[in-house]
Amino acid sequence: EDQVTQSPEALRLQEGESSSLNCSYTVSGLRGLFWYRQDPGKGPEFLFTLYSAGEEKEKERLKATLTKKESFLHITAPKPEDSATYLCAVPITGGFKTIFGAGTRLFVKA
Amino acid sequence: GEEVAQTPKHLVRGEGQKAKLYCAPIKGHSYVFWYQQVLKNEFKFLISFQNENVFDETGMPKERFSAKCLPNSPCSLEIQATKLEDSAVYFCASSQSLGGVSNQPQHFGDGTRLSIL
Repeated sequence: EDQVTQSPEALRLQEGESSSLNCSYTVSGLRGLFWYRQDPGKGPEFLFTLYSAGEEKEKERLKATLTKKESFLHITAPKPEDSATYLCAVPITGGFKTIFGAGTRLFVKA
Repeated sequence: GEEVAQTPKHLVRGEGQKAKLYCAPIKGHSYVFWYQQVLKNEFKFLISFQNENVFDETGMPKERFSAKCLPNSPCSLEIQATKLEDSAVYFCASSQSLGGVSNQPQHFGDGTRLSIL
């Protein structure tokens, strides 16, 4: 069964305290893995797409990496404005259906 | 437009009433997706369209849910005979077709919060 699992469910960091979020997946024939950020009361906002194992993408304090079984979102020296829910998503059935992980709620305290 | 526009932002219905939600995808985007988000950020896929054609509706409770994307009109998601468990935020997303739908990120609206009383 296709599945996407994110951990931890919630993460509390001090400003400047680097950490990583995990997304493990079980899908047949990965066509891509997406990371989104969701703020309260808003829709998810696209961050990264990763297609193959070994690929890395960076944006400001965020770096996403991909292996054959999981993806990591590394947050370096986070700031309070990085507080949000981070969602991992994988398209299946040719891309016409996407399954999301349950998300990691990140809280960064000043 | 440059954003996915969902209306209304909040919809309140009594149990058993009908609810209809609307979504205007980004201009030029060929694919539309509907999701239901309930507690703890769990996104449940409902249905996807390529233009006006349904492509995957495996997530739709077909007895009461229906959706359409007609030319020159906003897409719609309709729920007949609503139940308390339909209370959720419903998100619409659209994506481009360039390179295949699986290669393209989805752009989300801010959702419609449906409250069933």
